[in-house]
Formats: sequence, structure tokens, C-alpha cells
Amino acid sequence: DAGITQSPRHKVTETGTPVTLRCHQTENHRYMYWYRQDPGHGLRLIHYSYGVKDTDKGEVSDGYSVSRSKTEDFLLTLESATSSQTSVYFCAISGGLREGNEQFFGPGTRLTVL
Amino acid sequence: RKEVEQDPGPFNVPEGATVAFNCTYSNSASQSFFWYRQDCRKEPKLLMSVYSSGNEDGRFTAQLNRASQYISLLIRDSKLSDSATYLCVVNMRANGQNFVFGPGTRLSVLP
Repeated sequence: DAGITQSPRHKVTETGTPVTLRCHQTENHRYMYWYRQDPGHGLRLIHYSYGVKDTDKGEVSDGYSVSRSKTEDFLLTLESATSSQTSVYFCAISGGLREGNEQFFGPGTRLTVL
Repeated sequence: RKEVEQDPGPFNVPEGATVAFNCTYSNSASQSFFWYRQDCRKEPKLLMSVYSSGNEDGRFTAQLNRASQYISLLIRDSKLSDSATYLCVVNMRANGQNFVFGPGTRLSVLP
């Protein structure tokens, strides 16, 4: 399995509080992604990074920010959590077109916003 | 129209059956195609990439039809352990990364 970890694995928080989720990889892959998965919607891209300090928005980026200060870490921040952000969050990595392009996923973080 | 569509499912099949999953995508410029499986409350895991010439891995066969913008996955001699949700994934950007996931099709293989 690809070396991807996510922390925390579970979190319960209250509306209005800030939350930061961490994704850590040991594969030295260039691309990193944050997705959320909800019933009836499948996996939806929040933000992705194509290098250190290089990020771009995905399909559902409102209410989320990201940072990537090192190749191995990609942080997802909910500045002020809302109940609609209750979801399962997956981090993924890929090497890019030259390296085969497949994505590998972390174990996920279950976030509940009360 | 959704960018990636899959059979709605669920599929309930007996052990040993052959089952086929279908997926269509909207962007004709899409370059990379994949099938993932996802077990309940787990992360998606790559099952196989889909190549233009079609490819096979044991009991699994994937095919791509660019003209019809269609991808398929065939599972032969299905096992109980094949029970999962199967996700079709398309990278819709020729020179970058824009992975779009289908909603998935759930498969239950019954004893």
C-alpha cells in the first residue's frame, strides 16, 4: 500500500469552530488531493496541489482552504465548520502523467459537525 | 448530464457468475481511465487502469471505447470477496489532473 496517513481519523466538533485535517505521504508524489464523500454524491474534489505551495480549487472548495509547505504534507482547513461539512474526507496522491497517473488514497477522516 | 455515469445498481449475483459494469464519460478529451473498488467504510483502492487496447488481470477485464466514450469492467467467476462498490474514474484533463469519479455501482456476491 502507498504510504499515506491521515489525521485525525475521527473528529467531532461544533459549528463555528476551525478544523484542520492532515495528510502525510512518504511516496514523494507530486500531486496531492482532498476529496469528500457523501451518500448520493460520490467522491468530490475539494482542492488539490501540484507541488509545494501550488494549489488549485476543485468542485466543492467553498468553505475550505489548503496549504502545502512540504512535499509530504497537505493540510485541509475548515475555517468555521458547518453541519453541511459533516462528511468523510479522503486524501489522495498521484505521481502525475509520467508516473502512471493512478491515485492512491489515505484511510479517510470521519468528521462530524454538530 | 453528469460527467461520469455508471449503472445505478445494486447488482446481486451468485458466486461464480459473470458480471459487467458500464461507465460513460462526457469529455471526449479525457486521457486516463481507471476502475477502483471501495469496501464499506474504507478508502477506494485501485483495481486496474484501463488502456485503449483493453486489459486483463486474472478474472477482471477492462475495456475502453473512445468513440462511444464508454468503459466497461467484466468480472468472471465472481467470489464473495468481490462484494464492494466499483467506481469508474476518468481524468478529464489531457495535460493535468482532473479526476472525476462516477457514483459507483454496488456489487453483492451471494453464496
